[in-house]
Amino acid sequence: DTAVSQTPKYLVTQMGNDKSIKCEQNLGHDTMYWYKQDSKKFLKIMFSYNNKELIINETVPNRFSPKSPDKAHLNLHINSLELGDSAVYFCASGSRGSGTDTQYFGPGTRLTVL
Amino acid sequence: RKEVEQDPGPFNVPEGATVAFNCTYSNSASQSFFWYRQDCRKEPKLLMSVYSSGNEDGRFTAQLNRASQYISLLIRDSKLSDSATYLCVVNIGTGGFKTIFGAGTRLFVKA
Repeated sequence: DTAVSQTPKYLVTQMGNDKSIKCEQNLGHDTMYWYKQDSKKFLKIMFSYNNKELIINETVPNRFSPKSPDKAHLNLHINSLELGDSAVYFCASGSRGSGTDTQYFGPGTRLTVL
Repeated sequence: RKEVEQDPGPFNVPEGATVAFNCTYSNSASQSFFWYRQDCRKEPKLLMSVYSSGNEDGRFTAQLNRASQYISLLIRDSKLSDSATYLCVVNIGTGGFKTIFGAGTRLFVKA
C-alpha cells in the first residue's frame, strides 16, 4: 500500500547507456514531479506533470525524457548516461487543487554511472 | 543569489535544547511555504506547512514574515529522533507550479 513507489531503488550502469526509472502513485493526485538530489544533497526539481501534461521543465538536458502514460505514473528515461547524472532521483506527487500543495515523495532511485 | 537560502549548519545540540532554523526566499511571487524533514538516505517528508499567522504542531513552531521574505522553524525540547536535515520549501505560483527546496540545515541532537 505504498503511496509513491519507484523502481529500481538502485541502478548502476556504464556511461553511454540508456536507462529508465518508473514511478507510480496511488494517492489519486493529479500532479507528479521528478527531482534530482546530487552529491551535495541539493534537491532540484526537474519536471512537473499535471494530468499527464508537462507543466515544468527546468532546463534539463533533452537526454532526459519524462513520460506520463496516465495520472498515476510518471516515468523517466535517460539516454546516453553521463558521469554527472549520478545522483538520487526522487519522484513525488501532489494535488494542486487541494489547496495544500503538499508533495509526497517516493523512496528514491540511486543512480551510479561508471 | 539562491532562491531559497538556509544556514547549512550543522547544528549540534543536546537533548532538551531549543533550536531555531531560518530561511529566506527571494521570489516575491512565492505563495506557499513548508518545512520538510529528510533523514539520511531517505526521501523528504512534510514536517509542516507554514502559515502567515504562524502555526504550531507539538514541539514545532513555524513562522512566516512575507514582508521580510523570511521563514523560521523552532524546535523545543529536542529529541534524539529530531536529528535530520530540515528543508525549507517554497512554492512559486498558485497550485504548486514550481517548488524550490533550500539546501537544508543539518541537525544533530546528542544525548
